[in-house]
Amino acid sequence: EPEVTQTPSHQVTQMGQEVILRCVPISNHLYFYWYRQILGQKVEFLVSFYNNEISEKSEIFDDQFSVERPDGSNFTLKIRSTKLEDSAMYFCASIRAGNEKLFFGSGTQLSVL
Amino acid sequence: AQTVTQSQPEMSVQEAETVTLSCTYDTSESDYYLFWYKQPPSRQMILVIRQEAYKQQNATENRFSVNFQKAAKSFSLKISDSQLGDAAMYFCAYRRTYTGTASKLTFGTGTRLQVTL
Repeated sequence: EPEVTQTPSHQVTQMGQEVILRCVPISNHLYFYWYRQILGQKVEFLVSFYNNEISEKSEIFDDQFSVERPDGSNFTLKIRSTKLEDSAMYFCASIRAGNEKLFFGSGTQLSVL
Repeated sequence: AQTVTQSQPEMSVQEAETVTLSCTYDTSESDYYLFWYKQPPSRQMILVIRQEAYKQQNATENRFSVNFQKAAKSFSLKISDSQLGDAAMYFCAYRRTYTGTASKLTFGTGTRLQVTL
């Protein structure tokens, strides 16, 4: 089965630093997502991306966050100035068309110290 | 806004027995999808089963089946012949039907399932 690939699997950073989380969605997929999960809590939607623009974002996705698909294969999530509360598992997901199966990556655990 | 509620934070089942995990949701939409995801300690999100709201027949996948009650907005997961490998966190999730842009998943808070010998 095809896979969504996320790198790195773990990222440790200092508060106030910028981080970029990387994802390679499945090659023929058109819709891309970032979700996050604070330890012990539910998975929360951050942002969806289609046709090179954000199609929906949650209230969590404030000005500190941005997404980009710079080269047609990678899909990145940038956090400009990390806060302690940004510590979470970040999941990338992609889907080919709206009613098909959503594929999740294995996640990047971000720890902000 | 759509909400998904899982009222059982933890459940326990003996190996080979059957367990049912509950989920209720709230939506004003008439067409949507419901999902159960399994999250083992590795924290990978694994799709267990999916139900289309327009289908009256309950979905089944091997030992996993659902009881979908549209009028009651209830979507429970039944695991038969439980195995040690079924121990995980289980999340119920909702998604609107595709309407030109693929919509997001809304998750419940999860049920941690323990499987005992």
